[in-house]
Formats: sequence, C-alpha cells, structure tokens
Amino acid sequence: KQEVTQIPAALSVPEGENLVLNCSFTDSAIYNLQWFRQDPGKGLTSLLLIQSSQREQTSGRLNASLDKSSGRSTLYIAASQPGDSATYLCAPNNYGQNFVFGPGTRLSVLP
Amino acid sequence: DVKVTQSSRYLVKRTGEKVFLECVQDMDHENMFWYRQDPGLGLRLIYFSYDVKMKEKGDIPEGYSVSREKKERFSLILESASTNQTSMYLCASSSNDGYTFGSGTRLTVV
Repeated sequence: KQEVTQIPAALSVPEGENLVLNCSFTDSAIYNLQWFRQDPGKGLTSLLLIQSSQREQTSGRLNASLDKSSGRSTLYIAASQPGDSATYLCAPNNYGQNFVFGPGTRLSVLP
Repeated sequence: DVKVTQSSRYLVKRTGEKVFLECVQDMDHENMFWYRQDPGLGLRLIYFSYDVKMKEKGDIPEGYSVSREKKERFSLILESASTNQTSMYLCASSSNDGYTFGSGTRLTVV
C-alpha cells in the first residue's frame, strides 16, 4: 500500500524567501501526483497536478517537480508571501487505488 | 465558481441523531469521495462511489453509510451520531484532471 511522507512537518520563514517542500512515496507506479493547500478550517485547494509522463508543472510562483522512479516530488515556492501560509499536502495517485494523502507541511510566512 | 458544494459549513448534532451530510458537484465527475480529517490522523477515506447507486467502503466505514441516487450528489449518513464522529468532513470528486474538494463540514456531536 502506498505510503507518503512530507518533510519538513512545519516550516517558518520570513517573507520573500524561496522555499522547497518535499514529498516522498513508496510505490512509484503512479499515474499522477497532485499538490494541495489547506487553510485552517477549510477544504483542500488544488495547486498543481503532474502527470507521470511530466517532470515539472508550473503555476505562477509555484513549481512542482516529479521524479517518479525515486518516489519524490518537490513543491518550490518563489518569493514567499504571508498569504502562502497554509498546510501543503501531496497526493500520489496509483492505478487501481484511491489517492493517498501525505500528512502535510505546515508553512508560516512571517511579514 | 464553486464546483463541489457541501451543504453546511458547521453542524451541531446530539448523540443518537441521524445526520445527513450532502455534497453536490457540477463537473459531471463519476467518482466521488467522503473523507474525515482529524488532528494528527490526516485525511481518512470513509466511502467512495464510482457511479450512480455504487458505493465502496474506504478505510473507516464503520458507523457511516452513503447514498448516490444521482451522479452529481453523494450523501454521507451517520445512522446514530456519536461523540467520536466529531470531525471535519470533506467531500471530493475526481476525474483524470485530479481531485476537487468541497469546503468541508465541521460536525460537532454533543
């Protein structure tokens, strides 16, 4: 069964820094991987979806990479802002299985 | 443009009550899901459905049931609410373009 870890569990940075969130998964037979953000008390908002044939996907200041063979994905946030403060979750999607969510990285961007 | 709508943001119910949580999606997705989210436990799958009138148990189905009479609507039912069902409930639908979540229902059972 797929297992997902995210490092770090929590991160606090000053505004303007570039940062990297890491996601590792044990079963590399995925067909896509999705990154979400979750604000306190709210649902999950989709940020990026990477298909297994892709290595990168970009949306604004966000860039997600995927190394399927090594079971890793990273989410890069450029020029972080206080509005980026949230919990970020990754979810690899395996054939024949439902999404498995990572535990999340809780990000605080300080003004 | 809201795509997955959960009928209530906050709900308070008494122990033993029958509780209905409603979820509607307007994206014509075949797949729909119910999760609960608790601190330290992450997202756990309760039930899912791949088609109308179909349902499959997830990881923690005990104490819950579901109904999918129409493609766009997936209901979660707590037959007899208990305090350990106090949680955040999240509905989602999915296609090949990934998952879309609703805004969640915070249920408190007293």
